[in-house]
Amino acid sequence: NAGVTQTPKFRVLKTGQSMTLLCAQDMNHEYMYWYRQDPGMGLRLIHYSVGEGTTAKGEVPDGYNVSRLKKQNFLLGLESAAPSQTSVYFCASKLPNQPQHFGDGTRLSIL
Amino acid sequence: GQQVMQIPQYQHVQEGEDFTTYCNSSTTLSNIQWYKQRPGGHPVFLIQLVKSGEVKKQKRLTFQFGEAKKNSSLHITATQTTDVGTYFCAGLRGATNKLIFGTGTLLAVQP
Repeated sequence: NAGVTQTPKFRVLKTGQSMTLLCAQDMNHEYMYWYRQDPGMGLRLIHYSVGEGTTAKGEVPDGYNVSRLKKQNFLLGLESAAPSQTSVYFCASKLPNQPQHFGDGTRLSIL
Repeated sequence: GQQVMQIPQYQHVQEGEDFTTYCNSSTTLSNIQWYKQRPGGHPVFLIQLVKSGEVKKQKRLTFQFGEAKKNSSLHITATQTTDVGTYFCAGLRGATNKLIFGTGTLLAVQP
């Protein structure tokens, strides 16, 4: 039972490049979330999903897109990376009325 | 913007001293959760409080939810070096599935 797995763990991009971060969970959780964590800002919600095929915007959605084609996977896309998107990205999943389980994070640097 | 604030942002204590972090929301919360994040790690769920005025204890940790369900606190008695990390509160509003995380309090414990 791996829990929540994020890939890749580290990545360096150039401004304007695109990439996709993958989150996979094997706990059959309905809800999945993408956060970014910056110093002094805590965790800010980017997008989330309450079930397969559904997504919704969080607090800071601009510049990101997501897809939930399969229940176990939640993808976060950066179409044209900007230096302001340098951050640590965390994925989380949960069942209704239960706490969130987090992945180990993806450290993304954009030059 | 950030609607759940935590104070202090940082606290440095000597091992054996007590520690408290406070969480304040601008709106009433359905429940509040507390997470701990070790340096370089991911947030890990500690506890959830649901009822107005609720107090819960976990060994040396005491969690409290305010009467108005707008504030919460975490108190650690006799800190140990294993308590080092950032403590986040996270509030759930209404029937949403979104947690709003506080800004976090980084605790450093000197042996």
